[in-house]
Amino acid sequence: GAVVSQHPSWVICKSGTSVKIECRSLDFQATTMFWYRQFPKQSLMLMATSNEGSKATYEQGVEKDKFLINHASLTLSTLTVTSAHPEDSSFYICSAESGRGYQETQYFGPGTRLLVL
Amino acid sequence: AQKITQTQPGMFVQEKEAVTLDCTYDTSDPSYGLFWYKQPSSGEMIFLIYQGSYDQQNATEGRYSLNFQKARKSANLVISASQLGDSAMYFCAMKGNQGGKLIFGQGTELSVKP
Repeated sequence: GAVVSQHPSWVICKSGTSVKIECRSLDFQATTMFWYRQFPKQSLMLMATSNEGSKATYEQGVEKDKFLINHASLTLSTLTVTSAHPEDSSFYICSAESGRGYQETQYFGPGTRLLVL
Repeated sequence: AQKITQTQPGMFVQEKEAVTLDCTYDTSDPSYGLFWYKQPSSGEMIFLIYQGSYDQQNATEGRYSLNFQKARKSANLVISASQLGDSAMYFCAMKGNQGGKLIFGQGTELSVKP
């Protein structure tokens, strides 16, 4: 149980294009999903918290217009990197919560490696 | 403010031996959860084990156990009988009662030697 999928796993795009990444909870419903960014040999950096049916909450320093998040249903959240530039190249990973309160456990997708040329 | 500290950037262990990965935390929340995740080179974050702050016993999941010392604010991960497939980054994380954020440590890279 508690499986999270993420698609695509790899994407290479030209500078200026937009890229959409999907995160799905396959066997449970998640009112809250999270989007992280990770640079090599570093820890995960939370970008935003995605709540079903409401606007996402972005962390300080994360551009809302650059990283568009839509949590359309209890099993799907999407992250769109708009007008991607080489500095947006990174590993993006999502998670979905299952459980209650501080016992809620985040289950992660396999991640998406983005390379912007 | 909440904080997680992993002081071991890298660790080596011989195959079949046990290894302890250190994690200390700081929080003012009366109740909180502590988590360990494994991240192999493929990148996915694999949930390993959970410990609640009010749990009386240390959590165990197969070869993984969590040495929870509340007074010392430590939540060390113990891996018994290490296997080559255990080579990965390991992250300790904490979640308080307020808000949904998971606070991660900097990670420990474990290498298992044959």
